[in-house]
Amino acid sequence: AQSVTQLDSQVPVFEEAPVELRCNYSSSVSVYLFWYVQYPNQGLQLLLKYLSGSTLVKGINGFEAEFNKSQTSFHLRKPSVHISDTAEYFCAVSDQAGTYKYIFGTGTRLKVLA
Amino acid sequence: EPEVTQTPSHQVTQMGQEVILRCVPISNHLYFYWYRQILGQKVEFLVSFYNNEISEKSEIFDDQFSVERPDGSNFTLKIRSTKLEDSAMYFCASSRDGVNEQYFGPGTRLTVT
Repeated sequence: AQSVTQLDSQVPVFEEAPVELRCNYSSSVSVYLFWYVQYPNQGLQLLLKYLSGSTLVKGINGFEAEFNKSQTSFHLRKPSVHISDTAEYFCAVSDQAGTYKYIFGTGTRLKVLA
Repeated sequence: EPEVTQTPSHQVTQMGQEVILRCVPISNHLYFYWYRQILGQKVEFLVSFYNNEISEKSEIFDDQFSVERPDGSNFTLKIRSTKLEDSAMYFCASSRDGVNEQYFGPGTRLTVT
């Protein structure tokens, strides 16, 4: 079974500052990794994914994440945030052999302050 | 860009009533999923559907729940006898091949009174 931990439930950060949202996972099998963003009253939108290859992946809106297998982490980063990045961010894993269902973390609410 | 659609956006029902939540996945996708998100909590997997049958279901997906893909385009989730604790946002998702990302619909907010 897999599990995902997002330790920070809320992260306040000033506009144009860098941010890192942490994600750690636990799994007995190899996994694929995803970050999704949820704006208020909207569905989930993919930010980026790691399937294989380079451990540094770039996504939309200037976000990037690094897969660290030894630390079982997939932290999300952005060098300079905007007010419009205020949203809920979810890390998810799916196993590489099976139904590919997602196991989500509890989410991190990013609040960008002016 | 193709998208997953869900109807209705909001459904209010009384305890014990049956509800059907509808989804239209992206047309060339093969894997389909339902998730739910109780207010303030994380998104939870309910069921996956592939090749016209359920491929996996969670503990939440008990006998009160069922899914169908009746006509090759719609994908429905039925709750036979709703309970108060079924109140949540229900998301439908689809994936082209399972490996690549799932595309989520905007959700149906179900309120059971």
